[in-house]
Amino acid sequence: DAGITQSPRHKVTETGTPVTLRCHQTENHRYMYWYRQDPGHGLRLIHYSYGVKDTDKGEVSDGYSVSRSKTEDFLLTLESATSSQTSVYFCAISENPQETQYFGPGTRLLVL
Amino acid sequence: QKEVEQNSGPLSVPEGAIASLNCTYSDRVSQSFFWYRQYSGKSPELIMSIYSNGDKEDGRFTAQLNKASQYVSLLIRDSQPSDSATYLCAVMVGGKLIFGQGTELSVKP
Repeated sequence: DAGITQSPRHKVTETGTPVTLRCHQTENHRYMYWYRQDPGHGLRLIHYSYGVKDTDKGEVSDGYSVSRSKTEDFLLTLESATSSQTSVYFCAISENPQETQYFGPGTRLLVL
Repeated sequence: QKEVEQNSGPLSVPEGAIASLNCTYSDRVSQSFFWYRQYSGKSPELIMSIYSNGDKEDGRFTAQLNKASQYVSLLIRDSQPSDSATYLCAVMVGGKLIFGQGTELSVKP
């Protein structure tokens, strides 16, 4: 998985609780991404980062926030989880935005 | 119209046959195209990237790009049961990767 880890790998939580997912890379790549994958929708970009403290929104950013205080870590936070945020979340990294993205192992999140 | 479209399948081919996976995209200025393979319960892994019109070969895999027709395909020669997976087409649009929904491929022994 190109030196990318995600934690936790599985999580069950209740509606209304905050949840933070972590992506950690050892490749020193500048760009990091958060996607969600749902049946019938494929992979959709939530947020991405182009450097420390530099982030921007993706296609489905409502209800999510991100932070990047170090090159190697990119955090995704669901401030108040909803059942519609039940999904598989993938982190990805790339050296530049036109090049290949490499994916982490994913986090399965179930919001009850 | 979706930005990147793939037939969802499933596409079933016998072992040893050629599997042909197709993808169309709507943004004419796209310059970078990727094929990922995703096994059930796993993360996407890159198979091929292609940037210029024509064919690009890597082992049993050939990616074909036709920018005029906004069409990119992946051919898998001598298909093996281990090739059974979902194949994701991805197109770079404005610095962001847009994925198709994926085509499920099943290779029957």
